Amino acid sequence: SQQGEEDPQALSIQEGENATMNCSYKTSINNLQWYRQNSGRGLVHLILIRSNEREKHSGRLRVTLDTSKKSSSLLITASRAADTASYFCATDAPQAGTALIFGKGTTLSVSS
Amino acid sequence: EAEVAQSPRYKITEKSQAVAFWCDPISGHATLYWYRQILGQGPELLVQFQDESVVDDSQLPKDRFSAERLKGVDSTLKIQPAELGDSAMYLCASSSWADMGTDTQYFGPGTRLTVL
Repeated sequence: SQQGEEDPQALSIQEGENATMNCSYKTSINNLQWYRQNSGRGLVHLILIRSNEREKHSGRLRVTLDTSKKSSSLLITASRAADTASYFCATDAPQAGTALIFGKGTTLSVSS
Repeated sequence: EAEVAQSPRYKITEKSQAVAFWCDPISGHATLYWYRQILGQGPELLVQFQDESVVDDSQLPKDRFSAERLKGVDSTLKIQPAELGDSAMYLCASSSWADMGTDTQYFGPGTRLTVL
């Protein structure tokens, strides 16, 4: 069963615009991670935020976490065509050990 | 930069045939995962190893799937017999608590299986 649900399912923007994706999850977590997947390829780790953190930055990425609402957001600023990919949030869950539980992903399309 | 290796990258087979996938994790990573990703979905765990031991295989269809990591390094995932519904991307990932102090998982490029 899937823990996280990303919103929106698909997002189309122009280069230079910001892209925001949201993730909601169901149970308590130790940390939440965001991954990117280019079409037909493996997943690339973007950023991890721990349950006791509220915001984290990495380059053009900004992640927030609200454990009271069981939600997270990923902001990509000044998007580029190369950011076109699917983005997944993944959570651990106590009952799942260290394995990750992924949402269905948001497909981002950035046009030039 | 160290990477997780997987082979083959693509596999086409007929139903009822046997298939096998191979994964070589990042050197020193004790934990290895196999995930299955159906088109349009997120990956779902099939099996998790800690060294050579299975930690979680609750989602592995054991009537047809098997996985091993005999020496605690590389791993093989086998399907016998393959069914049409097995068509998916099979992803291998590895992690080490000592790496970043968290269980960040590093994924291989995946094996795309098509069952005809």
